[in-house]
Amino acid sequence: DAGVTQSPTHLIKTRGQQVTLRCSPKSGHDTVSWYQQALGQGPQFIFQYYEEEERQRGNFPDRFSGHQFPNYSSELNVNALLLGDSALYLCASSLVPGQGYGYTFGSGTRLTVV
Amino acid sequence: QKEVEQDPGPLSVPEGAIVSLNCTYSNSAFQYFMWYRQYSRKGPELLMYTYSSGNKEDGRFTAQVDKSSKYISLFIRDSQPSDSATYLCAMKGESGGGADGLTFGKGTHLIIQP
Repeated sequence: DAGVTQSPTHLIKTRGQQVTLRCSPKSGHDTVSWYQQALGQGPQFIFQYYEEEERQRGNFPDRFSGHQFPNYSSELNVNALLLGDSALYLCASSLVPGQGYGYTFGSGTRLTVV
Repeated sequence: QKEVEQDPGPLSVPEGAIVSLNCTYSNSAFQYFMWYRQYSRKGPELLMYTYSSGNKEDGRFTAQVDKSSKYISLFIRDSQPSDSATYLCAMKGESGGGADGLTFGKGTHLIIQP
């Protein structure tokens, strides 16, 4: 049973560029959340998608946007990249939104902005 | 003051010792409390979750929540070198209140010495 799959594993981008990260949720899960984890920090909630709509958003600027597809997979887009956007980006899926447990995380995409 | 405080360590203990990890928080709306384990270059893996106050035991792991003190703990008995990892506490409020994103601590880096 495949867990959460994220691609690519690593990515290097130049400041000012745009990037798209992808996530396939665990089989049977329909809700996807994205987190940013800077080095030495805990993950920070970016946003959550359910039924192809952004359901909740953390304290991140509009440069961060997302999308959920009918097959529940999701994309995270970041525009006008800053050096401070360098981090591990984690995708987490769950069976229903708002469930207090049962989040399954992927191994993440490590983004380096130079 | 951050919403969730967690000592980053590192915490180094000999194999077989009892490990105590803890977090404090300030948001009284938090109702779900979780502990995740994260190995290097991997995503967080759910270890334990507790709803509201109380204790929960699962094998060598025990989670405790004291909402009156806004303090949560994770105990690991008979610690093994394979327990060496970063341990993240996470919490969230009830669903439907726009509080579905997890709020994480910074993580404690645990080292079990053989």
